[in-house]
Amino acid sequence: EAGVAQSPRYKIIEKRQSVAFWCNPISGHATLYWYQQILGQGPKLLIQFQNNGVVDDSQLPKDRFSAERLKGVDSTLKIQPAKLEDSAVYLCASSLVAGFRNTQYFGPGTRLTVL
Amino acid sequence: QQQVKQSPQSLIVQKGGISIINCAYENTAFDYFPWYQQFPGKGPALLIAIRPDVSEKKEGRFTISFNKSAKQFSLHIMDSQPGDSATYFCAASLVLTGGGNKLTFGTGTQLKVEL
Repeated sequence: EAGVAQSPRYKIIEKRQSVAFWCNPISGHATLYWYQQILGQGPKLLIQFQNNGVVDDSQLPKDRFSAERLKGVDSTLKIQPAKLEDSAVYLCASSLVAGFRNTQYFGPGTRLTVL
Repeated sequence: QQQVKQSPQSLIVQKGGISIINCAYENTAFDYFPWYQQFPGKGPALLIAIRPDVSEKKEGRFTISFNKSAKQFSLHIMDSQPGDSATYFCAASLVLTGGGNKLTFGTGTQLKVEL
């Protein structure tokens, strides 16, 4: 079974530029998550999708971050404009269904450096 | 109240020794406690998990001990091996009213097992 795919793996941008990350979840997984992992910290959930719909985006900085999941499969996370403090690894995860004790499978992440 | 506190930040253990990582939480609504293992350049992967109505769960060399009254849980790695060298995250899961579950991660413990 193929895992969660993410691209690009690395991205370096100047502050105030925009950037987009792509995620392809495990086939058949209805739930998709985007996490931000700052160096030396645990992952922090940004947004959770159940199929096309947003379940939780309470920790997403909506003034600069946006995410979409078209057709309930692939997802993109965008930052516009980027700030220095956005430097982090952005992890995508998926689970078979939403909810209770379902295992989340993580992709390798995209390492973003904002200069 | 959503925090999960993890200690120690780093740990060095001799091969064959026992590695112990501790976590504490405040929110009694958390209903599932997974541990994740992360190698450099990879996303976190589920290692072992426990429900709050169970005091201990063992899978191979990995054991979770759970103390509901103290709101603490810990990971024990028996017979630690160099291949166990990784960053370990505890997490706590909360069911969302809109469906889905939200993981709150600890800050991570960097484990190094020396020969």
